[in-house]
Amino acid sequence: AQTVTQSQPEMSVQEAETVTLSCTYDTSESNYYLFWYKQPPSRQMILVIRQEAYKQQNATENRFSVNFQKAAKSFSLKISDSQLGDTAMYFCASLPPQGGSEKLVFGKGTKLTVNP
Amino acid sequence: SAVISQKPSRDICQRGTSLTIQCQVDSQVTMMFWYRQQPGQSLTLIATANQGSEATYESGFVIDKFPISRPNLTFSTLTVSNMSPEDSSIYLCSGIRGRGSDTQYFGPGTRLTVL
Repeated sequence: AQTVTQSQPEMSVQEAETVTLSCTYDTSESNYYLFWYKQPPSRQMILVIRQEAYKQQNATENRFSVNFQKAAKSFSLKISDSQLGDTAMYFCASLPPQGGSEKLVFGKGTKLTVNP
Repeated sequence: SAVISQKPSRDICQRGTSLTIQCQVDSQVTMMFWYRQQPGQSLTLIATANQGSEATYESGFVIDKFPISRPNLTFSTLTVSNMSPEDSSIYLCSGIRGRGSDTQYFGPGTRLTVL
């Protein structure tokens, strides 16, 4: 079974600075999918970024990028030029390959606060 | 992306009563899920809602407590039965269009408080 670990319960960053959220996972699969979801105080879970394990290139979405280290089973999220609206809970999640359970496995989350 | 709505957005209920939460997707999805998020916690999968058949429950969740229906590809309901204060949580539904590799989209959640 896959497990996902987020070792930083809370983090804070100054507006306009860069912050990196850590995530490690454990799987016996060779192909899988990894996600970062954001949950602001409104509760809406929003997909931030997604990575397919068979792709070596790190995914990017505007100010959000990942550092995917497959051998180390690490999937960190970097937020550049942090904005006040980035304040939220961030959840790392994994999904087994097609034909598997298709159930997301979530980490416990990191609460990020962006300070003005 | 899929747009998913839930009703109600929040409710305060008395112990021993039941609440049904509705989830509507704007387009057909192949799979729908129900999650529970207890205060300050991560998401825990309750069950997979199967169209026209009984839901598939995760360990620790049973049909008598959380009956689920999914009459078609765009709609599902979750009932929280015989509620107790321990059931106070956010309940979220989600859906994916494809299988496996597709992205899972979430509804806005229903905040339930049981007194």
